[in-house]
Amino acid sequence: EPEVTQTPSHQVTQMGQEVILRCVPISNHLYFYWYRQILGQKVEFLVSFYNNEISEKSEIFDDQFSVERPDGSNFTLKIRSTKLEDSAMYFCASRRASPGEKLFFGSGTQLSVL
Amino acid sequence: SQQGEEDPQALSIQEGENATMNCSYKTSINNLQWYRQNSGRGLVHLILIRSNEREKHSGRLRVTLDTSKKSSSLLITASRAADTASYFCATDASGAGSYQLTFGKGTKLSVIP
Repeated sequence: EPEVTQTPSHQVTQMGQEVILRCVPISNHLYFYWYRQILGQKVEFLVSFYNNEISEKSEIFDDQFSVERPDGSNFTLKIRSTKLEDSAMYFCASRRASPGEKLFFGSGTQLSVL
Repeated sequence: SQQGEEDPQALSIQEGENATMNCSYKTSINNLQWYRQNSGRGLVHLILIRSNEREKHSGRLRVTLDTSKKSSSLLITASRAADTASYFCATDASGAGSYQLTFGKGTKLSVIP
């Protein structure tokens, strides 16, 4: 089965540094998402992306966050100036259509901000 | 409470027993989905039930949906140790101006061999 791939699997950074989390969604999918999960807590929606623009974002997704689809395959999440509370597992997901389709998730990037 | 709240938060059963997890939500939905997450891994889709469906089966999984009560349940029959994971319900309100799935806090299932 096709997979969503995420890199790196782990990222350690200093507070205030910029990080870029990378994702390659499934090739014929049209809707792309970033979610995050703080250890032991719920999976929180950050942003959805469709037709080369943000379609929806949550309150968490403030000015420090941005997303980009720089080419036909990659989908990135950038955090400009990381805070301690940004430490979480970040999941990329994609789906072919919306609504009514399942999400395919990547294995996640564990971000640790020190 | 928030959209997609599961209960119980944790469930421990013996192998071979059935496990039932419940989910409640607040808004109108297009469909409801259940996902599984092994520790430290990504979420894997298990089953989707549309708002006009009441029950759906997939292997050892049975999902029910009661839109009047805004609730769903996931039943895993004849559980196995390999079913140990966290289970999340996710509501899909896409088509009503939203593209996201909203996840609950999950039920952590432990199946004891």
